Amino acid sequence: SYELTQPPSVSVSPGQTASITCSGDKLGNKYVCWYQQKSGQSPVMVIYEDRKRPSGIPERISGSNSGNTATLTISGTQAMDEADYYCQAWDSSTVVFGGGTKLTVL
Amino acid sequence: EVQVVESGGGLVQPGGSLRLSCAASGFTFSSYWMGWVRQAPGKGLEWVANIKQDGSEKYYVDSVKGRFTISRDNAENSLYLQMNSLRADDTAVYYCARRPAAMTHFDYWGQGTLVTVSS
Repeated sequence: SYELTQPPSVSVSPGQTASITCSGDKLGNKYVCWYQQKSGQSPVMVIYEDRKRPSGIPERISGSNSGNTATLTISGTQAMDEADYYCQAWDSSTVVFGGGTKLTVL
Repeated sequence: EVQVVESGGGLVQPGGSLRLSCAASGFTFSSYWMGWVRQAPGKGLEWVANIKQDGSEKYYVDSVKGRFTISRDNAENSLYLQMNSLRADDTAVYYCARRPAAMTHFDYWGQGTLVTVSS
């Protein structure tokens, strides 16, 4: 079965840039989306189709996908960005999630 | 306003059954794929099942095949998950989520309903 691999944790200082990676075999050939989940809340989609932002998501959140790695980038990180982030892709009519990355804003 | 609201969670003994419901509003329910995603306590997201707009196609994660059944009633704007032969590792918050047609993501999620399998 298809697998997506994320680092368990990423730390960043306020105002700096955070990058969260998601790796999978030939992932660049699939669409990737990203969800943000704050403590005690439901997931919220922040990026879809590799790099598109839903309405209401700030421009400082961006995505890319090439080769075997997709990347979620948060520029000018703020305390409100502290959350768990999950990548997701589609494989043979099934949905695959990465294990999640806890973003800590120090 | 798009809303999906889950219900039906609770405590059930191993081997027991439970039926989850998801009430949708604020959009044309019959135009969307729908899915269930679960999250065990302190763990990550795990996709459970998807169903096509007219119910003609259904897909499941291997761990629930033969035990869980996803269904929908477009007249009632409702999604269901019948869960049988429940096990301790099915304990999780179960989310209902909307998937736009021809898209590969879930754009709206409910608040979730907790299922606890324990004796």
